[in-house]
Amino acid sequence: DTAVSQTPKYLVTQMGNDKSIKCEQNLGHDTMYWYKQDSKKFLKIMFSYNNKELIINETVPNRFSPKSPDKAHLNLHINSLELGDSAVYFCASSQKMTAEAEAFFGQGTRLTVV
Amino acid sequence: AQSVTQPDIHITVSEGASLELRCNYSYGATPYLFWYVQSPGQGLQLLLKYFSGDTLVQGIKGFEAEFKRSQSSFNLRKPSVHWSDAAEYFCAVGPFGNEKLTFGTGTRLTIIP
Repeated sequence: DTAVSQTPKYLVTQMGNDKSIKCEQNLGHDTMYWYKQDSKKFLKIMFSYNNKELIINETVPNRFSPKSPDKAHLNLHINSLELGDSAVYFCASSQKMTAEAEAFFGQGTRLTVV
Repeated sequence: AQSVTQPDIHITVSEGASLELRCNYSYGATPYLFWYVQSPGQGLQLLLKYFSGDTLVQGIKGFEAEFKRSQSSFNLRKPSVHWSDAAEYFCAVGPFGNEKLTFGTGTRLTIIP
């Protein structure tokens, strides 16, 4: 039973399109995250979402928007996709947004913009 | 500013040999330190973490890491690697401000027979 699941696993789309990536966690965690892993494997946090409080990394373009219909889901919407958005996107969750709370990661979504 | 450095981009070791992956951090106080492993096509899995106390921490899959404050290091070790250990390994520090974790750029481990 997957703890943090993301769909789709692969996504190929054209520039200018709008797409969404879904994330669900069945761990009962309070906090969820989106990370972007670039072609050099560098992982950078994009968003943290805790009890309806959204914390945005200031470097993330406003074309990216997280949506949380409930505590178990944090979906990532991307508008007007650009070539530079190609990356692997990881969803994660933790019980709290403290260091002691282990972060559990999904398998990632490989987004390719052509 | 806080940062994490993994100096080795790629390491190749023979199966059964010992392993040490390097991690250096920059942080003004005692950091929370983590090692994660990413197998091909998979998400990240926590190997071990250090918060305080004993500076030698044990993790899953036979890994251990030692926190050395004087060297600002948190190197990962394993006495004898298995072919299944081939993966990407990430050192992470956190939390800083609103960020849960700040990751290093990773070290890719290749195991040869």
